[in-house]
Amino acid sequence: DAGITQSPRYKITETGRQVTLMCHQTWSHSYMFWYRQDLGHGLRLIYYSAAADITDKGEVPDGYVVSRSKTENFPLTLESATRSQTSVYFCASSDGGVNSPLHFGNGTRLTVT
Amino acid sequence: GQNIDQPTEMTATEGAIVQINCTYQTSGFNGLFWYQQHAGEAPTFLSYNVLDGLEEKGRFSSFLSRSKGYSYLLLKELQMKDSASYLCAVVSSASKIIFGSGTRLSIRP
Repeated sequence: DAGITQSPRYKITETGRQVTLMCHQTWSHSYMFWYRQDLGHGLRLIYYSAAADITDKGEVPDGYVVSRSKTENFPLTLESATRSQTSVYFCASSDGGVNSPLHFGNGTRLTVT
Repeated sequence: GQNIDQPTEMTATEGAIVQINCTYQTSGFNGLFWYQQHAGEAPTFLSYNVLDGLEEKGRFSSFLSRSKGYSYLLLKELQMKDSASYLCAVVSSASKIIFGSGTRLSIRP
């Protein structure tokens, strides 16, 4: 089925571990985004990508790394997880940039112990 | 700085009308989105405004005043399934999408 999928849906990891959250979309959308959602903060942009091999920082990029070697994939890596990175992570895509609606994946709930 | 304000919670009655307000102060303005998010689910697109005025889409309408830095989402003929969070998001001049914290709307029978 076409769409945007995230994996895993749930992840528990320990402080200091490296974790990679996967995001795959089948629409060939140019733009992809990573957000985190925390109570009281709403959705905050971590990184975004305008096309393959082009990425840029959002509001809260520290502690995260992204890559976009293929248009359809946009993995997010936490290099050394901290408890403050416990959150729900949403990947999104759009076909026309920031003035087009975002299509969100179902999210990954990450707990760092 | 960038700031988007929405009420944290609202309650309304089934069949009634509710207006959810959003005020923003951002570095420039290139459009405003409203998204709906049911508990435990992903946000879904509701509306987009870039010019002043009212955009109507079925039971939902969205209004924008750029000079006042103000938008509202109007929901008519409320249904129980409208119980959700409603997120206001502004596109700044730097082409960044900034989300408000969302308004949790509860519908009572």
